[in-house]
Amino acid sequence: NAGVTQTPKFRILKIGQSMTLQCTQDMNHNYMYWYRQDPGMGLKLIYYSVGAGITDKGEVPNGYNVSRSTTEDFPLRLELAAPSQTSVYFCASSSRDRGNSPLHFGNGTRLTVT
Amino acid sequence: DQQVKQNSPSLSVQEGRISILNCDYTNSMFDYFLWYKKYPAEGPTFLISISSIKDKNEDGRFTVFLNKSAKHLSLHIVPSQPGDSAVYFCDLGVHNYGQNFVFGPGTRLSVLP
Repeated sequence: NAGVTQTPKFRILKIGQSMTLQCTQDMNHNYMYWYRQDPGMGLKLIYYSVGAGITDKGEVPNGYNVSRSTTEDFPLRLELAAPSQTSVYFCASSSRDRGNSPLHFGNGTRLTVT
Repeated sequence: DQQVKQNSPSLSVQEGRISILNCDYTNSMFDYFLWYKKYPAEGPTFLISISSIKDKNEDGRFTVFLNKSAKHLSLHIVPSQPGDSAVYFCDLGVHNYGQNFVFGPGTRLSVLP
């Protein structure tokens, strides 16, 4: 049972480039989330989804886009990379909403924008 | 304005002794509280949770205490083991009120053999 899988593990982007961070889960969870973690800070919610076809903004959505066409996949798109997007990105899923079940995280993608 | 603080960025404890990790918050609406543990190069993993109707929840070596009047949450690990060395995050939110919970900045625990 793989849980939540994120690819790639590492990526270096030049300013202005685009990329998609992939996230897939095999637990049939309806809820999926994208977080970023900056040094010395807690995880900040970027976007979340409560089911296929439904997405919503979190605390720090600017510069990102998401889609949720299947239950399993929740890719995060960076359109015009900026140095401020240098961070570690975590995808997570849960069986129920945040107030009723904990998160299951992937192992993260470390992104550097130079 | 930080809603959630973990005032000790790091903590060192001798193996076998108690580790106490603290988390303070300002929003009195928070009613669901979780702790996660994170090893390097891995994602956080869920450890233990508590809702505001309780003041204590225990799971093996891990106990979470909630003091609502002081807006203070703590995680006790007894006895501490070297494998407990990790970063610990508290995660707070409001039950049935959206998905945007707030994580603390984390405390790095080192358990010395």
